[in-house]
Amino acid sequence: DAKTTQPTSMDCAEGRAANLPCNHSTISGNEYVYWYRQIHSQGPQYIIHGLKNNETNEMASLIITEDRKSSTLILPHATLRDTAVYYCIVRGPGQKVTFGTGTKLQVIP
Amino acid sequence: DAGITQSPRHKVTETGTPVTLRCHQTENHRYMYWYRQDPGHGLRLIHYSYGVKDTDKGEVSDGYSVSRSKTEDFLLTLESATSSQTSVYFCAIRGQDMNTEAFFGQGTRLTVV
Repeated sequence: DAKTTQPTSMDCAEGRAANLPCNHSTISGNEYVYWYRQIHSQGPQYIIHGLKNNETNEMASLIITEDRKSSTLILPHATLRDTAVYYCIVRGPGQKVTFGTGTKLQVIP
Repeated sequence: DAGITQSPRHKVTETGTPVTLRCHQTENHRYMYWYRQDPGHGLRLIHYSYGVKDTDKGEVSDGYSVSRSKTEDFLLTLESATSSQTSVYFCAIRGQDMNTEAFFGQGTRLTVV
């Protein structure tokens, strides 16, 4: 499975966009990029995923670079409830869902 | 929330006793996973299943066994619990399609004393 690298922690002001980077330089052609988050001690929650095109849903946007070696999760207007650990995962067909240590996002009032 | 239920939600047990955690799904998903989460380690995969009676080891499988006798249930067993197995355990399910996302249960907090 491809490995990912994320910053350990980030701060973001409430109401501003939160941009969370992820490096996945060894990603293979058939591997997708997924983002999950974990709020406090709850189970991880799916946010968004993509293969090579940028994606947007009601929660976030995912920007994947043209060479697919990195991506950025964008929360357009961060709220206090977005404070969580954010995980970037790459996975291909039949592969296990393997987590790294993620980025702890703190949204500041 | 996706139809996934973990039981029990909390358990305290003594060292050396057997413990079984249950993950039940109502989504008819093919893949099921067991993770443990400890401070400083994030989520680590224990075992996973890709169908009835089809299971495989994850990265921290020592001391754990699993069984999947029917699609909806994935059981995690600690044959002889140790204090190092004190953790929060999460179950996840995922459909068969290549790019489908995984859904997680709310977790089981296990304390071995």
